[in-house]
Amino acid sequence: KAGVTQTPRYLIKTRGQQVTLSCSPISGHRSVSWYQQTPGQGLQFLFEYFSETQRNKGNFPGRFSGRQFSNSRSEMNVSTLELGDSALYLCASSLWFVDNEQFFGPGTRLTVL
Amino acid sequence: DAKTTQPNSMESNEEEPVHLPCNHSTISGTDYIHWYRQLPSQGPEYVIHGLTSNVNNRMASLAIAEDRKSSTLILHRATLRDAAVYYCIPYNQGGKLIFGQGTELSVKP
Repeated sequence: KAGVTQTPRYLIKTRGQQVTLSCSPISGHRSVSWYQQTPGQGLQFLFEYFSETQRNKGNFPGRFSGRQFSNSRSEMNVSTLELGDSALYLCASSLWFVDNEQFFGPGTRLTVL
Repeated sequence: DAKTTQPNSMESNEEEPVHLPCNHSTISGTDYIHWYRQLPSQGPEYVIHGLTSNVNNRMASLAIAEDRKSSTLILHRATLRDAAVYYCIPYNQGGKLIFGQGTELSVKP
């Protein structure tokens, strides 16, 4: 079974631009979560989608948004990029049960110049 | 969200057991205790989880205190590939993992 895939793996943008990251979950998984990892703040939860609905949201500004499609693939968008948005963005998928483990993708490394 | 306290770092010798402690005194009765680890340059990886009883799988064992305010992840024989940051996470919301600072485990040959 293929793992979680994220595209692109690396991205360089400039301040003020917007970016869209993509995540394809493991086949059959209906929950997709997004995380931001930085050296200063560590791993922080962004949001989680299940059956195309956002179920949980972390403490990030409205510039961070996401969506999930009917095939469970998910995208996250960051508008008006700031230097502090430079980070590794990780996507994780899981079955819908609350005690199921999450399977993480390799991440997208975003650099904002 | 329940708070966790873990040692910042621990060292182990290869082939020896490692006990990684976690304090989660504010855990709620419905929170599972999940452990994840993150190897260098990789996304986090699930290790084990439990609710009340001790749990074993091919990777590790999880010992949960009777009052559930603490737990210990046990790697029975550490290998160099076990060098990683280990996170303990009380978890009851589908899809929302709250990562703390974790314990950075180094393994010496």
